Amino acid sequence: NAGVTQTPKFQVLKTGQSMTLQCAQDMNHEYMSWYRQDPGMGLRLIHYSVGAGITDQGEVPNGYNVSRSTTEDFPLRLLSAAPSQTSVYFCASSKQGLGQDTQYFGPGTRLTVL
Amino acid sequence: GQNIDQPTEMTATEGAIVQINCTYQTSGFNGLFWYQQHAGEAPTFLSYNVLDGLEEKGRFSSFLSRSKGYSYLLLKELQMKDSASYLCAVKLMRGSARQLTFGSGTQLTVLP
Repeated sequence: NAGVTQTPKFQVLKTGQSMTLQCAQDMNHEYMSWYRQDPGMGLRLIHYSVGAGITDQGEVPNGYNVSRSTTEDFPLRLLSAAPSQTSVYFCASSKQGLGQDTQYFGPGTRLTVL
Repeated sequence: GQNIDQPTEMTATEGAIVQINCTYQTSGFNGLFWYQQHAGEAPTFLSYNVLDGLEEKGRFSSFLSRSKGYSYLLLKELQMKDSASYLCAVKLMRGSARQLTFGSGTQLTVLP
């Protein structure tokens, strides 16, 4: 199993550009989520999905869109990049059961918006 | 809102014991995780508590008191490789979904 994979690892954008951060998992997990991590602020939830065709907003959704057409993939779209979106983005997945449902994180995408 | 507090930084000596505290004020509590994150890497799972008490896993132990909104992570026999950020995360129920809310992390430096 590859676990959770993310592409690209690094990206530089200009203000106003759009792009899609890719996330895929091969563990057949129902739950997938996107976080951003900024210095001194911990991880903040952007969007999440409890299964194919179902998405919902997290704590900081503005400026981002998601879709979940398959169980495996959960891309994050930046519609019009802004310098405030400079951050490290982590995708995570887990089972969505009644148990521990530990979230497993991808390696991250480091995004700089100029 | 949700509030999770942990110290920003801690320093300890190789071979020693260190305790990293986490306090939380949340609604819909459904469990507490500890993650380890080395610089430039993804968080990795360390421990999970849903009931009060101590969970031991090798050199790492985690404690939870739900009535006090308090948890700690105990690291024994510290090694240089334990230098990392330690993230406390509370699992909350939001409708039908379980979400994680993270503290800002505690940067632990282990000195020789």
